Amino acid sequence: GDSVTQMEGPVTLSEEAFLTINCTYTATGYPSLFWYVQYPGEGLQLLLKATKADDKGSNKGFEATYRKETTSFHLEKGSVQVSDSAVYFCALNVDSSASKIIFGSGTRLSIRP
Amino acid sequence: GAGVSQSPSNKVTEKGKDVELRCDPISGHTALYWYRQSLGQGLEFLIYFQGNSAPDKSGLPSDRFSAERTGGSVSTLTIQRTQQEDSAVYLCASSSRFTLTGSYEQYFGPGTRLTVT
Repeated sequence: GDSVTQMEGPVTLSEEAFLTINCTYTATGYPSLFWYVQYPGEGLQLLLKATKADDKGSNKGFEATYRKETTSFHLEKGSVQVSDSAVYFCALNVDSSASKIIFGSGTRLSIRP
Repeated sequence: GAGVSQSPSNKVTEKGKDVELRCDPISGHTALYWYRQSLGQGLEFLIYFQGNSAPDKSGLPSDRFSAERTGGSVSTLTIQRTQQEDSAVYLCASSSRFTLTGSYEQYFGPGTRLTVT
């Protein structure tokens, strides 16, 4: 079945470090791919998305490229800030339809000043 | 503009009692979803509504769980005879179709934290 596998946390980095959180997926059809973020004490919000192969989603300095050949959607940021501390979820939605989102297990990121 | 709202924000109940959780989607969103986030686990899909009908109920964990949606708007998730393993944050989301990409984006509410004692 459809699934998402993401890097286990927690991940702890120093401010201004480079971030990569790995995400791979298994899906039938042509999924849309997402990264959601959950800041401490807040609800889940969409960080970025890509709807077809080779698309790059970007927001708030974060980027992820939809790689169909490697079935991956790794999240990257060149220079993290303390305010980026949160839990990050990779997710997919099959066939871009109004159907359920399948989430990865989440990666907790902590940034040290 | 108003986002997805959920009530109550917190609910503590005794084992064996019934609870109702409410979700108000973004106005005009035809699709509505319920998910569950248990401590230390990811997000688990429960049920999806398109209008008032539920094409996908595959995630409801047992027949103690049910949900309805009326008027294509508000939804209620009901858990009967609650058990301690039902303790979790219950998230609601709504979505509409992007006209440009044809894809859907789900907007999440703040969640209801349910604690069964």
